[in-house]
Amino acid sequence: GAVVSQHPSRVICKSGTSVKIECRSLDFQATTMFWYRQFPKQSLMLMATSNEGSKATYEQGVEKDKFLINHASLTLSTLTVTSAHPEDSSFYICSGRLAGGGEQYFGPGTRLTVT
Amino acid sequence: QQQVKQSPQSLIVQKGGISIINCAYENTAFDYFPWYQQFPGKGPALLIAIRPDVSEKKEGRFTISFNKSAKQFSLHIMDSQPGDSATYFCAALNDYKLSFGAGTTVTVRA
Repeated sequence: GAVVSQHPSRVICKSGTSVKIECRSLDFQATTMFWYRQFPKQSLMLMATSNEGSKATYEQGVEKDKFLINHASLTLSTLTVTSAHPEDSSFYICSGRLAGGGEQYFGPGTRLTVT
Repeated sequence: QQQVKQSPQSLIVQKGGISIINCAYENTAFDYFPWYQQFPGKGPALLIAIRPDVSEKKEGRFTISFNKSAKQFSLHIMDSQPGDSATYFCAALNDYKLSFGAGTTVTVRA
């Protein structure tokens, strides 16, 4: 199957700082990438969808100015959590989707802890 | 509002037993139904998937049963092994978006 990586796998930051998480499709071109957030013992909740070279589409209730998404190439998308606060602490997971295909391939996730 | 309802929340099964997880949906626009396996601290991995024109799909010890008229589908894990202990999510795809069930934590006792 197609491989998606995320970096970093874990990050701890102080409240008020910004954190960038990278998502890369290693062996395929992902025309669409998705960002999810997962709180402990809960399901995955879609935050936003990004198409290469376009602005991201955010789900209802997700602050676009707080969670900045950039999908600059067919293999890289970044999520920047701006002015992070403890309530932003969560497990962030990205996925990539092949052009014309329905399947999403998930990354290993990034654990963000805001102190 | 969860578009895909999943049950049970957790289950314990003996090694060699059968694990059964059920999901139900309302949106008839869903056209692809994958199941994901997730281990603690890891991203979800695709286990098996089915399209609504098929009533059953089997891959190894994993079987999906799909009932289109009832808008229900289920995952059966045969001959459960300790390594199957994980959280399982059903999902449904509409257009390009996945809607996930709440998840089922499966514990296989040796």
